[in-house]
Amino acid sequence: AQKVTQAQTEISVVEKEDVTLDCVYETRDTTYYLFWYKQPPSGELVFLIRRNSFDEQNEISGRYSWNFQKSTSSFNFTITASQVVDSAVYFCALSGEAAGNKLTFGGGTRVLVKP
Amino acid sequence: DGGITQSPKYLFRKEGQNVTLSCEQNLNHDAMYWYRQDPGQGLRLIYYSQIVNDFQKGDIAEGYSVSREKKESFPLTVTSAQKNPTAFYLCASNQKRTFTYGYTFGSGTRLTVV
Repeated sequence: AQKVTQAQTEISVVEKEDVTLDCVYETRDTTYYLFWYKQPPSGELVFLIRRNSFDEQNEISGRYSWNFQKSTSSFNFTITASQVVDSAVYFCALSGEAAGNKLTFGGGTRVLVKP
Repeated sequence: DGGITQSPKYLFRKEGQNVTLSCEQNLNHDAMYWYRQDPGQGLRLIYYSQIVNDFQKGDIAEGYSVSREKKESFPLTVTSAQKNPTAFYLCASNQKRTFTYGYTFGSGTRLTVV
């Protein structure tokens, strides 16, 4: 079985602060994929990043960065210099062969960025 | 533009009624999925289909039914057996065994029992 845990249910910051969202996962697969999705108030999930289990390089995309640490089974997400438009629910997700390549989601972290 | 269309956006159901949520995709994706989201919670898998005329139960299939007669369509019926159907329902699709972008999601249907 695979499992994703997002321990932070809600984070509130003031604009321009950095915010880090934690994601810890469990899987028996050696090959698996990790994802982050953003869910704005409109409801649709927006893909942010995919990382496979063999690629532990950290990635930066604009104000977003991701820290993948296989040794601790974590895939954390940082928003630098947050903006009001970053207010949303963020989901970490995991997919692997043992689960038939289905996505398993964490419970989500609601980020509220105040002006 | 390619994407997933879910309809209706809002749906109200009376106690004891069956209702059907529509999900159509024009991405030529093989696999389609239905998720349920409750307030403040993550997404839970209801049903999924990886090929036409075949589908499997997810983690919370009780009280729901689906069909996959066409590649483009994967409707979800919420039956009267579902005791707590009020939730946000998301449909998704992906090319089987291709995870370049994970899943593509629709904009969701918010179902309320009145």
